[in-house]
Amino acid sequence: SQKIEQNSEALNIQEGKTATLTCNYTNYSPAYLQWYRQDPGRGPVFLLLIRENEKEKRKERLKVTFDTTLKQSLFHITASQPADSATYLCAPIYMDSNYQLIWGAGTKLIIKP
Amino acid sequence: NAGVTQTPKFRILKIGQSMTLQCAQDMNHNYMYWYRQDPGMGLKLIYYSVGAGITDKGEVPNGYNVSRSTTEDFPLRLELAAPSQTSVYFCASLGRSNQPQHFGDGTRLSIL
Repeated sequence: SQKIEQNSEALNIQEGKTATLTCNYTNYSPAYLQWYRQDPGRGPVFLLLIRENEKEKRKERLKVTFDTTLKQSLFHITASQPADSATYLCAPIYMDSNYQLIWGAGTKLIIKP
Repeated sequence: NAGVTQTPKFRILKIGQSMTLQCAQDMNHNYMYWYRQDPGMGLKLIYYSVGAGITDKGEVPNGYNVSRSTTEDFPLRLELAAPSQTSVYFCASLGRSNQPQHFGDGTRLSIL
């Protein structure tokens, strides 16, 4: 079965620096990979989607990369701000999954002023 | 924009009691999902539905039941609540496979 691995340890970053979060998957590549943000006591909120044939996707200060050779997606936040502090979840989508997402446990990001 | 609405937000149950967690969406999405999230863990799929009248089990369905009589509503039923069902429950909906899931704000459930 597919497994998704995200850094379980919190990531502490100084304000203004770039934060990089990692999502690794096993077996075969997903058709799409999504990244979500989750704040305490709230449901996840969608941020970005990248397709298997895309190397990189950007949205404002956010950038996602997808490396099918390494079986890895990286999520970058540039010019990080304390308001970016949250847990970030990755969720690959496999076309044979009947629209079920497999979720990583998430990485807690802490941006220090 | 209501999106996905979950009720109640909090609930405390005694062991052996039953309850229904409500979920409603107003986006006309065919796909709906119930997840549970335990502290420090990822979302675990309990049940999902691909349309009205169609439901299927996810990864952790034991102790739960669902129904989908309308496109809008997808209630989750807990029968004979057990302490292991203490968790935060999220409902989500999806329009198409390459679109994001939309989540409610969750129901925090404690079984004592």
